[in-house]
Amino acid sequence: GAGVSQSPRYKVAKRGQDVALRCDPISGHVSLFWYQQALGQGPEFLTYFQNEAQLDKSGLPSDRFFAERPEGSVSTLKIQRTQQEDSAVYLCASSFKNTEAFFGQGTRLTVV
Amino acid sequence: GESVGLHLPTLSVQEGDNSIINCAYSNSASDYFIWYKQESGKGPQFIIDIRSNMDKRQGQRVTVLLNKTVKHLSLQIAATQPGDSAVYFCAENRASGTYKYIFGTGTRLKVLA
Repeated sequence: GAGVSQSPRYKVAKRGQDVALRCDPISGHVSLFWYQQALGQGPEFLTYFQNEAQLDKSGLPSDRFFAERPEGSVSTLKIQRTQQEDSAVYLCASSFKNTEAFFGQGTRLTVV
Repeated sequence: GESVGLHLPTLSVQEGDNSIINCAYSNSASDYFIWYKQESGKGPQFIIDIRSNMDKRQGQRVTVLLNKTVKHLSLQIAATQPGDSAVYFCAENRASGTYKYIFGTGTRLKVLA
């Protein structure tokens, strides 16, 4: 596609529910990033993939967060047993090796 | 700790004036910097980038200046327009290991008619 696509755009989850957020990067982009953005804050790094390899997951806040990119293209960020503090916008970005990263519109997760 | 930060959380400028948004970084090992613009409800949009072997780069109506001596980055927007109203983030790439961006809190630019 023309840009990074994320779905769903909005997700409301009940506390304790599992959620899965999808990212379709720009075709051919090797690198894929997930970020979490709280209201009024800058994006915070969660995890990074180079093709299908997850090279850095140092930003994942807990073991309830899990990300995968099994075929080196589409990625899924899964949050298990969601809690209210997980409410945020989750941004996905992709880049071709060491160049600028392009962001998707994000998924706004609200945990109630 | 090491961080990327901005001096001014909100900047108001008159339409047609020039805007300058500043950013400080603390890691001298960073070698790539990007300015992003984020409008409400949207993801960050790439504006301009600069590598550490440069001290100035110009785009269309935008200029980024890098001062490695004092670890300072600025974004200059010429003839600011209402469509420039947004939150602006500088992001720093730390070249050791993973290629990832560290973002600052952001500066909100308000363009006054």
